[in-house]
Amino acid sequence: ELKVEQNPLFLSMQEGKNYTIYCNYSTTSDRLYWYRQDPGKSLESLFVLLSNGAVKQEGRLMASLDTKARLSTLHITAAVHDLSATYFCAPQNYGGSQGNLIFGKGTKLSVKP
Amino acid sequence: DTGVSQDPRHKITKRGQNVTFRCDPISEHNRLYWYRQTLGQGPEFLTYFQNEAQLEKSRLLSDRFSAERPKGSFSTLEIQRTEQGDSAMYLCASSSYYEQYFGPGTRLTVT
Repeated sequence: ELKVEQNPLFLSMQEGKNYTIYCNYSTTSDRLYWYRQDPGKSLESLFVLLSNGAVKQEGRLMASLDTKARLSTLHITAAVHDLSATYFCAPQNYGGSQGNLIFGKGTKLSVKP
Repeated sequence: DTGVSQDPRHKITKRGQNVTFRCDPISEHNRLYWYRQTLGQGPEFLTYFQNEAQLEKSRLLSDRFSAERPKGSFSTLEIQRTEQGDSAMYLCASSSYYEQYFGPGTRLTVT
């Protein structure tokens, strides 16, 4: 059974600082998604990482995937208040259900001035 | 707007009542997923359709839950005899080969 662990679960950052969110998962998956969720809202797709070694960047966020280590990271550069949200990683489950996503508990990011 | 839509956005019901939610996926997507999200948790998979066929149901989907996707277009999720533990955000996602796009969700409150 695919399980996902994110850390940290809560992250309070100052504007301008850098930080990394880690996502570990327990069984093989070749595809991993990162989503952002604002309070009371649905999920906004940030990145889809399709293969080992994949790296994608958008603005101040950069995501990477190491399928051998079963690890993905989301790196935040020079954080700004607008990045405050909850971030979820979700590897794709091929074991049974042909592609549903398994979500971590999320990392609640708060960026303070 | 060509994204995933869900209706209603909010539903308040009394325990024991039945409720039905609707999801309209992106038109060219043949895969459709239902997830449930409770406060402070990540979404949990409920069920999955490829076209009109329901191919998998999570163990979270008790006998009180049923989902359909007639003609492989929109999908409905019905909960019978609602319980307070059913209170959650119900999310629908449709999928191309590379992406899963989520709808705005239906927030259910059972009183």
